Amino acid sequence: AQTVTQSQPEMSVQEAETVTLSCTYDTSESDYYLFWYKQPPSRQMILVIRQEAYKQQNATENRFSVNFQKAAKSFSLKISDSQLGDAAMYFCAYRRGGTSGTYKYIFGTGTRLKVLA
Amino acid sequence: NAGVTQTPKFRVLKTGQSMTLLCAQDMNHEYMYWYRQDPGMGLRLIHYSVGEGTTAKGEVPDGYNVSRLKKQNFLLGLESAAPSQTSVYFCASSYVVAGELFFGEGSRLTVL
Repeated sequence: AQTVTQSQPEMSVQEAETVTLSCTYDTSESDYYLFWYKQPPSRQMILVIRQEAYKQQNATENRFSVNFQKAAKSFSLKISDSQLGDAAMYFCAYRRGGTSGTYKYIFGTGTRLKVLA
Repeated sequence: NAGVTQTPKFRVLKTGQSMTLLCAQDMNHEYMYWYRQDPGMGLRLIHYSVGEGTTAKGEVPDGYNVSRLKKQNFLLGLESAAPSQTSVYFCASSYVVAGELFFGEGSRLTVL
């Protein structure tokens, strides 16, 4: 069974600095998706970034980028120029790929990011 | 765009009472999911559906039932609520191919 592990329950970063959140996963599949979701105090789940496993290039979205190491099964999120609005719970998630079968999204336990002014 | 809508947003129940959470999506997604979120445990899958008329068990299905009579709706039922079911419940939906999971705003359920 697939698993997703976030080993950092809580992280802190100074405003304008860079922080990296860790995520590792376990799967025997070769085709899959990986995601980072942000959950601010409003409770809404917001997609931050998505990575397709077959793409070697790391995904980026403005100040957010990932370091995808497929062989190591590692998927870390880097937030550059941290802002107060980045303070939230961040979840790493996995979903197998393909176009048939069932698709369950497996989530990690989350990392709470605090941004210090 | 409504996206994924959950009702109710908040509910307080007494032990043994029953209730139904309704999830509606207007994106014509095939897949729908119910998760529960508890502190330190992330999101855990309760039940999911791969299409109208189909349902399947997730990671923590005990004490819950679901139905998907229409493609756009996915209902989560608690027949006899227990304090252990106090949680925040999220409904989500997705296309098969696109990958992204779209979430509702969550429903906070408290069982006394």
